[in-house]
Parts: sequence; structure tokens; C-alpha cells
Amino acid sequence: DTGVSQDPRHKITKRGQNVTFRCDPISEHNRLYWYRQTLGQGPEFLTYFQNEAQLEKSRLLSDRFSAERPKGSFSTLEIQRTEQGDSAMYLCASSPRTGGSIQYFGAGTRLSVL
Amino acid sequence: GESVGLHLPTLSVQEGDNSIINCAYSNSASDYFIWYKQESGKGPQFIIDIRSNMDKRQGQRVTVLLNKTVKHLSLQIAATQPGDSAVYFCAETYNQGGKLIFGQGTELSVKP
Repeated sequence: DTGVSQDPRHKITKRGQNVTFRCDPISEHNRLYWYRQTLGQGPEFLTYFQNEAQLEKSRLLSDRFSAERPKGSFSTLEIQRTEQGDSAMYLCASSPRTGGSIQYFGAGTRLSVL
Repeated sequence: GESVGLHLPTLSVQEGDNSIINCAYSNSASDYFIWYKQESGKGPQFIIDIRSNMDKRQGQRVTVLLNKTVKHLSLQIAATQPGDSAVYFCAETYNQGGKLIFGQGTELSVKP
């Protein structure tokens, strides 16, 4: 399968714990995006990278959230001191070139904070 | 109709009929638009896109119409099939900024 891959698919954690999600984009896609989706809503933008550079972060991305893409390939999204309000689907997408091109989404990581 | 809280607008059609899903976008400067289909438990799946210098684009069984005057997009699905049942989202982007801004979503239900 050469699509966007996300791991894990599901994560259950207790409030206050740290969690980390991984995204592997489609090979040679230089842009990688993170979105968050809650039930009944469309995805909301969190942050994106062009190669290893993080170009934009949403104000939704509080200090407890950090994303990296150290070698311009896979990316990780870490949430520290999780809160119940962090429960959501975290989606990763990639696109092959700058601006205005199709973003291809992974299946997402569903986070449940108890 | 309008949605409140968790309730998505719903469109129910008979198998074989044509479906039209509408979307109002927010930014008059948006220059690229995408329709996505999302099935339960899956990520959004690309259906069709259109740039702001066009007003219509056709794919296989799908057509997207763009009306920039009233900031309106529509997705037409011909001969709707049960496999088309899903939530459909429009998304916009502007200034080649990369990030997508998603609309509210419409749940399409196809009755056999």
C-alpha cells in the first residue's frame, strides 16, 4: 500500500499521559499536514511541513502539542499532559508539490482520553 | 437543512437518482477547492477538485460547479449508488497556503 500511513490506528490513554502519533506520507511528497477531527465536524488544520520545515501552526495547537518531521519524511505529533478535550481523530495528509495540490489523507489515529 | 452541534445536514436519495450536495465557502480569496468523501472510520478520500479560474469540472459520475459570485460549490453525483453513502466535505485553500479549510459536511444516504 503506497498511501499515507498512520500509526497507531487507535490510542486509549489516561488524562495527564503523553502520547505520540506517527505519520508516513506518500513517498516523495514534500508537504505533510496534520488535522484534527471531532465527531460530526470537518477536519481542522493543526500544522504543516514542507520537507523538514514547519511552515504554519494553527492557534489550535497549544503548547502541549508538538510536531516534528526531522528528515523530511515521516512525522510525529506528540501531545503532552493529555486532556479529555484532546479526544478526537488525528488525520495526516500529504501532497506532492507546493500550493493548491491534492492532499491525500491517511486513515487517522483515534485518540480517547479517559 | 442547517445543522446544530453534532447533527450533519442529511441528503437521502433513491439508488439511481442524481444527487446534488451544496457547500458555501468562506473566503472570496480562495483559489482552489476540493471535494472529499469520508466513510465511517476512514480518512477523507479525494473525489474531484476545481481551481477558481474554472466554473465547472467533470469526472467519472461527478461534476463540481463553482459560483464565485455567491461563494458556492456544488457536487453532483450521477446515478447514485449505495456505495456513495458517506459524509461529503468541501474544502478550500487560498494564496497557495497549503492548509485546507473544510466546510461542515453533508451526509448522503442512498436507499436501495
